[in-house]
Amino acid sequence: DAKTTQPPSMDCAEGRAANLPCNHSTISGNEYVYWYRQIHSQGPQYIIHGLKNNETNEMASLIITEDRKSSTLILPHATLRDTAVYYCIVRGTGANSKLTFGKGITLSVRP
Amino acid sequence: DTAVSQTPKYLVTQMGNDKSIKCEQNLGHDTMYWYKQDSKKFLKIMFSYNNKELIINETVPNRFSPKSPDKAHLNLHINSLELGDSAVYFCASSQGSLDGRGYTFGSGTRLTIV
Repeated sequence: DAKTTQPPSMDCAEGRAANLPCNHSTISGNEYVYWYRQIHSQGPQYIIHGLKNNETNEMASLIITEDRKSSTLILPHATLRDTAVYYCIVRGTGANSKLTFGKGITLSVRP
Repeated sequence: DTAVSQTPKYLVTQMGNDKSIKCEQNLGHDTMYWYKQDSKKFLKIMFSYNNKELIINETVPNRFSPKSPDKAHLNLHINSLELGDSAVYFCASSQGSLDGRGYTFGSGTRLTIV
């Protein structure tokens, strides 16, 4: 599975959009981009995933560049409860593919 | 109703002891996992079971032995505990192993070796 690169941390003001970048320049054609988050001391939580097209759900939007080498997770109106570590994961569909977590990006939402 | 439950939540024990962590899921999933999160916060997969069959076994010391009595349970037994085993252990489950969206994680077991 391809590796991802994320900045170690970022912050944003409550109520503003949080844009979390991720680079995955070695992604291959059948690999999906997943985003999970881990709020302090809790288990990771699925947010969203996509292959080529932009995706949106009740939690967030995922914007994938046309060459698929990078993506951005957007939390449209960040709240204090969105403070967490966010993991960008690239995963294939093979039987032995794993959900492999990197270092993630720590998002701090300030009041 | 907790979807993936782990027991105990906290476990403090001495080096050299043998201990078990239990995991149960009530989601009807057929695949279960153990992840380890160390002090540096890296989350690493250890094992994966599908319908009670081991399908992923990362480079984990053989002191760690997972057991899946049925597809709703995946327990982790650790022999001869070492200081480096101190970590938070997360259990997870999914329907099939091919869809990363469907991973549901438990709240973790914090294991401290003294």
